[in-house]
Amino acid sequence: SAVISQKPSRDICQRGTSLTIQCQVDSQVTMMFWYRQQPGQSLTLIATANQGSEATYESGFVIDKFPISRPNLTFSTLTVSNMSPEDSSIYLCSVPTGGRGFGYTFGSGTRLTVV
Amino acid sequence: GDSVTQMEGPVTLSEEAFLTINCTYTATGYPSLFWYVQYPGEGLQLLLKATKADDKGSNKGFEATYRKETTSFHLEKGSVQVSDSAVYFCALSEAGSARQLTFGSGTQLTVLP
Repeated sequence: SAVISQKPSRDICQRGTSLTIQCQVDSQVTMMFWYRQQPGQSLTLIATANQGSEATYESGFVIDKFPISRPNLTFSTLTVSNMSPEDSSIYLCSVPTGGRGFGYTFGSGTRLTVV
Repeated sequence: GDSVTQMEGPVTLSEEAFLTINCTYTATGYPSLFWYVQYPGEGLQLLLKATKADDKGSNKGFEATYRKETTSFHLEKGSVQVSDSAVYFCALSEAGSARQLTFGSGTQLTVLP
């Protein structure tokens, strides 16, 4: 299965600033998913990123707040813009592996604290 | 839309006790079903999966059977260990090409020695 390198693993950021999270996959994948896990909560899908097209955002998430880049089939970034304490969460990227329903691999997550 | 309903926690058990974490789902078609585990301070790891009705996924002593008639995918382990303490997430992906996962709320399991 694919291996994902996600960084940074954690960061403490000031209100109003932005943070860019990177995910590097060791194989080419068409789709990449970005999730948010708020403290004590489950995972919520932010957007789906396909190479060569605009990311598709879920309800409640907008491109201005969470711009995504997908320059090639092994790399993607998620930026959390103009941060507020409510953005404090774990952010994870994920890719499907092994075909339909075979499995999904997750990055190790970025634990973001906004102060 | 798709949804996953998971047994609320937290769950606290003594070592060697039997574990059941209930999971039911709502989906169109025939989704694939998963259990993920998140150990303290770590990312998500796939624990087991099943892709069609009556399939049984198993790993590390954990089992779950895909029951279409009851739309369930309950997680079980016969004898838990302290090292099993973690948060467990039930999830599904829609049938067809790879789609995003829909997660349950997660169940915190604590196993006491």
